[in-house]
Amino acid sequence: QQQVKQSPQSLIVQKGGISIINCAYENTAFDYFPWYQQFPGKGPALLIAIRPDVSEKKEGRFTISFNKSAKQFSLHIMDSQPGDSATYFCAASNYQLIWGAGTKLIIKP
Amino acid sequence: SQTIHQWPATLVQPVGSPLSLECTVEGTSNPNLYWYRQAAGRGLQLLFYSVGIGQISSEVPQNLSASRPQDRQFILSSKKLLLSDSGFYLCAWSRRDAGELFFGEGSRLTVL
Repeated sequence: QQQVKQSPQSLIVQKGGISIINCAYENTAFDYFPWYQQFPGKGPALLIAIRPDVSEKKEGRFTISFNKSAKQFSLHIMDSQPGDSATYFCAASNYQLIWGAGTKLIIKP
Repeated sequence: SQTIHQWPATLVQPVGSPLSLECTVEGTSNPNLYWYRQAAGRGLQLLFYSVGIGQISSEVPQNLSASRPQDRQFILSSKKLLLSDSGFYLCAWSRRDAGELFFGEGSRLTVL
């Protein structure tokens, strides 16, 4: 019940394309859903986060879509750039963050 | 502004040797503090978290321990390292009333 399932494990997208990473959860008590971005050799950093009272949140080229009834949320990166190449982690929390396994994203020039 | 420092950045240690990784946070008070481990190409495993001085919760049984001797200092230790302790160790902090974690730059440990 405490798991967050993230897919795909890895993703290759052409420059300018849309990158989509999906996460699913079981615990309906989760009330905070962040996405973190991690570059090689660095610590993760918060990219964007959403609360379950909204279905979508957009910040620049990054959008979280949230489906409360399906218990799923996803990260969309529009106009993907080589600089977006990184590992992305979803997470869910009510009092403690539960992490997805991560998605390694490669943007091909 | 708040900053988090971790050291050393890189460490190569023989099996059976002790370990001490240090983390300090500046610019905030009463933070929640966390130690995570990340194996190569893998996800984030929470090892320890602390909500106050001397208060440590362990998430995974192992030969590692953590201590919080001061409000903004968090230390990860081992008396005898195993090969399986190799990995990327990340310290993080959060405010008491917010979910965002702020991570340090990490300490890469190789046990030979």
